[in-house]
Amino acid sequence: EAQVTQNPRYLITVTGKKLTVTCSQNMNHEYMSWYRQDPGLGLRQIYYSMNVEVTDKGDVPEGYKVSRKEKRNFPLILESPSPNQTSLYFCASSWAGATNEKLFFGSGTQLSVL
Amino acid sequence: LAKTTQPISMDSYEGQEVNITCSHNNIATNDYITWYQQFPSQGPRFIIQGYKTKVTNEVASLFIPADRKSSTLSLPRVSLSDTAVYYCLVGDGWDAGNNRKLIWGLGTSLAVNP
Repeated sequence: EAQVTQNPRYLITVTGKKLTVTCSQNMNHEYMSWYRQDPGLGLRQIYYSMNVEVTDKGDVPEGYKVSRKEKRNFPLILESPSPNQTSLYFCASSWAGATNEKLFFGSGTQLSVL
Repeated sequence: LAKTTQPISMDSYEGQEVNITCSHNNIATNDYITWYQQFPSQGPRFIIQGYKTKVTNEVASLFIPADRKSSTLSLPRVSLSDTAVYYCLVGDGWDAGNNRKLIWGLGTSLAVNP
């Protein structure tokens, strides 16, 4: 089954404790992206990757890092989480990132930073 | 910049047809119109996409007038399980890699009642 898998589904942490949210897709997609979703603000793009070893900042990249060492994986790293990073996070992928392509989303990671 | 405007919320009853209209006055010539559905705490899911006239799939129909300044998502005979947020998307600006971007608004929250 074609899918984007995120882990963990829920995460509670404390300020400053480094964490990683994993994302994996099994569709051989070149394009992968991370979003955060906050009430009243909609989905905002954090980082995206057009292919292996190619990453670019989205609209809200501050406080986040990503890496794309393999085509299928695109982890999101919070080196020193802060409470304003409490949010619902989604990973997504598509063939090549064109806007007329279908975006496949993961089930989300609800992060709480205390 | 292209911007989409859609109703914040809509109510319907089981078995009715629901039409959600989105305006996108500044849509670019090459942009497609894409609709996604999102259930609470889940990632958005692609519903339908079109460029002009009418598109129909097993889930919905999409009507696009000749001027493409608006589009209407039509859900036939809705059920309780269609209660979700529906997003209308068109291209909006360019990212760091000169790729067309999608900006996610707040969508339309559809409530289907028994």
